[in-house]
Amino acid sequence: GAGVSQSPSNKVTEKGKDVELRCDPISGHTALYWYRQSLGQGLEFLIYFQGNSAPDKSGLPSDRFSAERTGGSVSTLTIQRTQQEDSAVYLCASSLRLGASGTGDTQYFGPGTRLTVL
Amino acid sequence: QKEVEQNSGPLSVPEGAIASLNCTYSDRGSQSFFWYRQYSGKSPELIMFIYSNGDKEDGRFTAQLNKASQYVSLLIRDSQPSDSATYLCAVRRALGGSQGNLIFGKGTKLSVKP
Repeated sequence: GAGVSQSPSNKVTEKGKDVELRCDPISGHTALYWYRQSLGQGLEFLIYFQGNSAPDKSGLPSDRFSAERTGGSVSTLTIQRTQQEDSAVYLCASSLRLGASGTGDTQYFGPGTRLTVL
Repeated sequence: QKEVEQNSGPLSVPEGAIASLNCTYSDRGSQSFFWYRQYSGKSPELIMFIYSNGDKEDGRFTAQLNKASQYVSLLIRDSQPSDSATYLCAVRRALGGSQGNLIFGKGTKLSVKP
């Protein structure tokens, strides 16, 4: 596709339920990132994937959060036993490759998934 | 100290004026610096990136980087109402550790008045 796509665009769930958020990066981009943005807050890094390397999970806020990337392309962010404080916009970004110079380093964002936990 | 700091604003400028947005960062070894624009309810879109000290110009936008003082700025010349948005400064960590993710400031809200 032309850009990063995410689904669903909106998700409303009840506290305690599990949710899965999907990200489809730009074709050919090897690096994929997940961020979240809460109301009035900046973007918070969650996790990134680079090719076949082990993901950097240092930003995940708790063990209820996990992510995988299958076949080096599509990624799924899973939140188990959702809490109200998980409500936020979850943004996915991709870049050509990690640490590349010039435009290869630039991260392009998808439209986000707005998660509301009731 | 927050890693990337921006004045939250709002910064209000008249149409046609120069808008100056500033950002400071704490990691002296940071390598890459980005400015994103985010309209309300939308995802961030890249405006400019800069890696070297000095100025980098692209149309009405100029990014300025001073690594010694650990600040990066964005100038918008001939500001238009359509420039009204939140501008996010982002810094990529130095090599080593979490080197891939961007650290974002909370953004400066810019309002350009007709």
